[in-house]
Amino acid sequence: QVQLQESGPGVVKPSETLSLTCTVSVSSVNSGYYWGWIRQSPGKGLEWIASLYHSGTTYYNPSLKSRVTISLDTPKNQISLKLTSVTAADTAVYYCARIDVGANTYPFDYWGQGTLVVVSS
Amino acid sequence: EIVLTQSPATLSLSPGERATLSCRASQGLSNYLAWYQQKPGQAPRLLIYDTSHRATGIPARFSGSGSGTDFTLTISSLEPEDFAVYYCQQRTSWPLTFTFGPGTKVDIK
Repeated sequence: QVQLQESGPGVVKPSETLSLTCTVSVSSVNSGYYWGWIRQSPGKGLEWIASLYHSGTTYYNPSLKSRVTISLDTPKNQISLKLTSVTAADTAVYYCARIDVGANTYPFDYWGQGTLVVVSS
Repeated sequence: EIVLTQSPATLSLSPGERATLSCRASQGLSNYLAWYQQKPGQAPRLLIYDTSHRATGIPARFSGSGSGTDFTLTISSLEPEDFAVYYCQQRTSWPLTFTFGPGTKVDIK
């Protein structure tokens, strides 16, 4: 059973950079899957942030692209996310997920439990 | 940009009843659709991918159908554990992007 575990600071000050890490167990981040980050603001729906392939190819939500970087740390089996210049609108639960490229939809088939990030001074 | 619209926003039903959830895309989807279930305090769970394929371990009471711009998730007979929020999701090929619908909440009548 693939397991993903997000970790992050909990609270970030406005205008600072949010850094999150997703540690993957059982499955290798280098195993031919895509990986992604999705967030959910309190009481709201799901918003895709970014994805990457094990080759290092990255894809970003156009609305966040200027502030986001997703990367892979293969030796640590981790996926990282950096979001710069955060505001209160970035307060959300952040999920990492594996993407099944064997299906046309590229569904997110395994999810972490999520980590809440609050932007507050 | 493809926009997904889900209806109704809330569906109030009793256990044992049939639930029919709709997801409409602003353009025809060439890569089909996925559905997720989310319960309070939990991560979403994949139910259906490629419009009609159940994910591993998903009960047969969940089924998906549709094509083009109109898609449906049907729960044939609601169990107590099925009361949750349901999201649809699509992806574009190039560049690769993902979009979720706003969700339908299925609550107990």
